[in-house]
Amino acid sequence: NAGVTQTPKFQVLKTGQSMTLQCAQDMNHEYMSWYRQDPGMGLRLIHYSVGAGITDQGEVPNGYNVSRSTTEDFPLRLLSAAPSQTSVYFCASSYSTVAGANEQFFGPGTRLTVL
Amino acid sequence: AQSVAQPEDQVNVAEGNPLTVKCTYSVSGNPYLFWYVQYPNRGLQFLLKYITGDNLVKGSYGFEAEFNKSQTSFHLKKPSALVSDSALYFCAVRDINTGGFKTIFGAGTRLFVKA
Repeated sequence: NAGVTQTPKFQVLKTGQSMTLQCAQDMNHEYMSWYRQDPGMGLRLIHYSVGAGITDQGEVPNGYNVSRSTTEDFPLRLLSAAPSQTSVYFCASSYSTVAGANEQFFGPGTRLTVL
Repeated sequence: AQSVAQPEDQVNVAEGNPLTVKCTYSVSGNPYLFWYVQYPNRGLQFLLKYITGDNLVKGSYGFEAEFNKSQTSFHLKKPSALVSDSALYFCAVRDINTGGFKTIFGAGTRLFVKA
């Protein structure tokens, strides 16, 4: 199994540009999520999904959109990039989080710089 | 509101000595607690979790953690540190009030193990 994969690994954008960060998992996990990691702030939840067709906002959703058309894929879209979105982005997945008892599996991350 | 605190930005320990990485939490009900480790330029890896039962939890790579409800703590420990344990460690709590769908991470503690 490849686990959780993310593309691209690195990306540089100009302010105002749009892009999609790709995330896929091959473990048949119902739950998928996106986090951003900033120095001294740990990981903050952007959006999450509990299954195909179901998404919800996390702690810092502004400026990001998501969709979940299949169990495997959970892309993150930046519609108009801003310098404040410079960060490292991680996708994660887990089995159903009923009662929240399951650990998450993380992808290798995407390092995004917005100029 | 649920929260996690890791009071130490950095912990230094000599190889062979015991190590402790501290974590305290604040939740409204029963917590689900996790420890993850991040090696340079990698995603997070699950180490161990406390869901219920025995307060001493054993995990990967010889790590263990003790759940202390009265002190609302979940400190990570290892009897004998290795240089290869040097990494960034995150404590996390699952927010049961939202059905366990949201994970709250601490800011992280960087562990340096000197040879």
